[in-house]
Amino acid sequence: EDQVTQSPEALRLQEGESSSLNCSYTVSGLRGLFWYRQDPGKGPEFLFTLYSAGEEKEKERLKATLTKKESFLHITAPKPEDSATYLCAVQASGGGADGLTFGKGTHLIIQP
Amino acid sequence: ETGVTQSPTHLIKTRGQQVTLRCSSQSGHNTVSWYQQALGQGPQFIFQYYREEENGRGNFPPRFSGLQFPNYSSELNVNALELDDSALYLCASSLNRAVNEKLFFGSGTQLSVL
Repeated sequence: EDQVTQSPEALRLQEGESSSLNCSYTVSGLRGLFWYRQDPGKGPEFLFTLYSAGEEKEKERLKATLTKKESFLHITAPKPEDSATYLCAVQASGGGADGLTFGKGTHLIIQP
Repeated sequence: ETGVTQSPTHLIKTRGQQVTLRCSSQSGHNTVSWYQQALGQGPQFIFQYYREEENGRGNFPPRFSGLQFPNYSSELNVNALELDDSALYLCASSLNRAVNEKLFFGSGTQLSVL
C-alpha cells in the first residue's frame, strides 16, 4: 500500500526565517511526486511535480527536491502570505486507479 | 477561463439519506476526479471519470457513485449516508487522463451528516 508521511505536522516561523518541510513516501513504483498548497476553505493548488531522484524545481521562494525515499520543500525567506497547509502526494505506477495518495500536510504559519 | 466550480458549498444531511454533489470542470478539461478530505487529513481518492466512463477508483464502497456528462461536468452521489461521510468533497479536473497531469481543484462541498 502506498504511503506518504509529512513532517512536521505544524511549523511556525518568523518572516524571513528559512526552513524545510519533509515528505517521506513508500510506493511500488513512482510515476510522480506532487506538492500542493491549500489555503483555509479552498481546494489544493498545484505547485510542483517531480519525476525522478535528483530532480529539483523552484518557484519564487519555494524549492522542491526529490530522493528515492523522500522529498523536501525548502522555503527561503518566507513571507506571511506563504502561510498555508502544504500537501505532498504520490502517483504510483502500474495498473489500477490513477488517483494521488496524499499525506496529511504540514500547516505552516509565517509570523510578521 | 473559468476554474472548477462545485455546488453546493455546504450541505447538512441526516444518516441514511442520499446526497448529490455537482462539479463543473475547467474549460477544455475532459477528466474529473473526486476526493474526500476529512478534517485534519489529506484528500483521499474516490474515483476518476474520463469521457463519461469511470476509469479508476480508490478504496470506497459502491454506495459512492458518480457520473460525467458530455460537457464534462460531473456528479458525486452518496447513498445511505453514514456519520463518517462528513468531510470536504473536492472535485478536480485535468486536461486529459495522462499520468502526471496536474489537477485543478474546486473549493469543495462541506458535507455534514448528523
